[in-house]
Amino acid sequence: AAGVIQSPRHLIKEKRETATLKCYPIPRHDTVYWYQQGPGQDPQFLISFYEKMQSDKGSIPDRFSAQQFSDYHSELNMSSLELGDSALYFCASSPATIEEDAGYTFGSGTRLTVV
Amino acid sequence: QKEVEQNSGPLSVPEGAIASLNCTYSDRGSQSFFWYRQYSGKSPELIMSIYSNGDKEDGRFTAQLNKASQYVSLLIRDSQPSDSATYLCGGSNYKLTFGKGTLLTVNP
Repeated sequence: AAGVIQSPRHLIKEKRETATLKCYPIPRHDTVYWYQQGPGQDPQFLISFYEKMQSDKGSIPDRFSAQQFSDYHSELNMSSLELGDSALYFCASSPATIEEDAGYTFGSGTRLTVV
Repeated sequence: QKEVEQNSGPLSVPEGAIASLNCTYSDRGSQSFFWYRQYSGKSPELIMSIYSNGDKEDGRFTAQLNKASQYVSLLIRDSQPSDSATYLCGGSNYKLTFGKGTLLTVNP
């Protein structure tokens, strides 16, 4: 079965640079969620999109922006990178109505290292 | 206060024992609850979901939900070393919010 695809898997950037993370949801999943997980932390919700519109916003810094495109893939743009942005970034997708036992499906994540 | 609290852990049990993981939530708008397993550096993997009050069993796993007490639990029977991981409790109200996780170690 198709899964959530994230790219790149690993990314190394210098401070003050810009990074773009991509997420391709499961086919027919119209909702995408972005999470940030620092070392030893639980995944923190950043932002979500439903039908290409922002549906919810969490603890996302103003330096970050995201959007969902017509093919439902999403991109997380991160500017003026700081050392503290180093983390695992997960994307998850779901249909609008989540059937029990289906849950939210997570991608393998992008490990961002800011040096 | 986090919307989802997991205060137990880290938890260590011998192989074959029952592991009990607990979580409470504050958002009464949350309608569905999920237990995810996460190995270090890997993505969360769905173990069980529960939407209604009561117990729900799936193999060695039993989830319990009590909406009046805002309490969710997960029991793992006959624990195996491969169950050693961080278990994340999540509540969903249009987005999934996690607790801080409980690190479970099953000792052979």
